[in-house]
Amino acid sequence: GGIITQTPKFLIGQEGQKLTLKCQQNFNHDTMYWYRQDSGKGLRLIYYSITENDLQKGDLSEGYDASREKKSSFSLTVTSAQKNEMAVFLCASSIDRGEVFFGKGTRLTVV
Amino acid sequence: AQSVTQPDARVTVSEGASLQLRCKYSYSGTPYLFWYVQYPRQGLQLLLKYYSGDPVVQGVNGFEAEFSKSNSSFHLRKASVHWSDSAVYFCAFNVGDNSKLIWGLGTSLVVNP
Repeated sequence: GGIITQTPKFLIGQEGQKLTLKCQQNFNHDTMYWYRQDSGKGLRLIYYSITENDLQKGDLSEGYDASREKKSSFSLTVTSAQKNEMAVFLCASSIDRGEVFFGKGTRLTVV
Repeated sequence: AQSVTQPDARVTVSEGASLQLRCKYSYSGTPYLFWYVQYPRQGLQLLLKYYSGDPVVQGVNGFEAEFSKSNSSFHLRKASVHWSDSAVYFCAFNVGDNSKLIWGLGTSLVVNP
């Protein structure tokens, strides 16, 4: 089986700071995703990528950039962290028919 | 618009009781349907999936779900819950290869010992 590794596990940033989250997968999946999870709001798609160097905006892309330079990696940048922001960012990858595999998440706190 | 409704934000049951978590989707065709589970401080894990065929699908840890096209539903069931089943359960669907998953908001299950 494969694994999705997200780094860092915990991220504390300052207001206005640019922050980068990284994700690696060894499933050899074509499609990768970044989701944001807030308490009580389910999962919201930020960006996804169906192949290397491809980027597709999700419902919540404003305030974020993403990069897919290799098939196995997908990074997400918070372009300007918002004060008191707290959320979990989940990276995922998928095979055909939408079965999605998730990493354990990066917990972001902005002070 | 395509959407998933999980009407119960939180469900509390006693250990050993039966369970049903409800999920309804909005889509005119037959989607690919999924239930995912998220244990505390973990990522999401696939519990079970439905693509076609027998409307009752079996998943891990004794969970099953039943697809109903007439009701646009995909309810999750378990005959006897254990305290370790306490988690958040998400229903989701998509409509074909390489399409995005549409997610419900999740149901938090609390199992009292």
